[in-house]
Amino acid sequence: TQLLEQSPQFLSIQEGENLTVYCNSSSVFSSLQWYRQEPGEGPVLLVTVVTGGEVKKLKRLTFQFGDARKDSSLHITAAQPGDTGLYLCAGAENYGQNFVFGPGTRLSVLP
Amino acid sequence: DVKVTQSSRYLVKRTGEKVFLECVQDMDHENMFWYRQDPGLGLRLIYFSYDVKMKEKGDIPEGYSVSREKKERFSLILESASTNQTSMYLCASSIRTAGYGYTFGSGTRLTVV
Repeated sequence: TQLLEQSPQFLSIQEGENLTVYCNSSSVFSSLQWYRQEPGEGPVLLVTVVTGGEVKKLKRLTFQFGDARKDSSLHITAAQPGDTGLYLCAGAENYGQNFVFGPGTRLSVLP
Repeated sequence: DVKVTQSSRYLVKRTGEKVFLECVQDMDHENMFWYRQDPGLGLRLIYFSYDVKMKEKGDIPEGYSVSREKKERFSLILESASTNQTSMYLCASSIRTAGYGYTFGSGTRLTVV
């Protein structure tokens, strides 16, 4: 089973700041996903990336898949309190249907 | 609005009890999954199912079993609850296509005392 690492583990910033969180592995993924989980709720899918070097944007969120498909980053521009939550990355190997999840980055955006 | 529904948000059970966690999805998804989530450990896969009557062990199946008698329902069973099974349990479903995202339920926070 591949191991996914996420950094930083915790991040607390002021509203309006930019931030980047990272997801890394020694394994190559056929697809990688990012989820956001709010307290007391299940994770909600934000994006799926499948091509090395791929960049996807979702409003103020920019997701990038590494060229070697072993890592990914999530950049948030002008963070808002509503961005607060646990950000999870999840990867699948060999075009499988099962994903392995990282431990997450807990983001707190202060007003 | 499509959803995955978990029967209980909070449960408190005693050590040794048999515990049933129910999950129902209304999206006609083939795949269903049970994860547990613990601080610092992320989501760990307990069991999954790609079809009715089908089940496969995940990474941490010990102490658990599952049942999938109908396509929309996937039940997790703790045969004899122990305190180390205190956790947040998350059910998810997806279509049978590689790389497709999961839809999660809201979770059941189980405390075993």
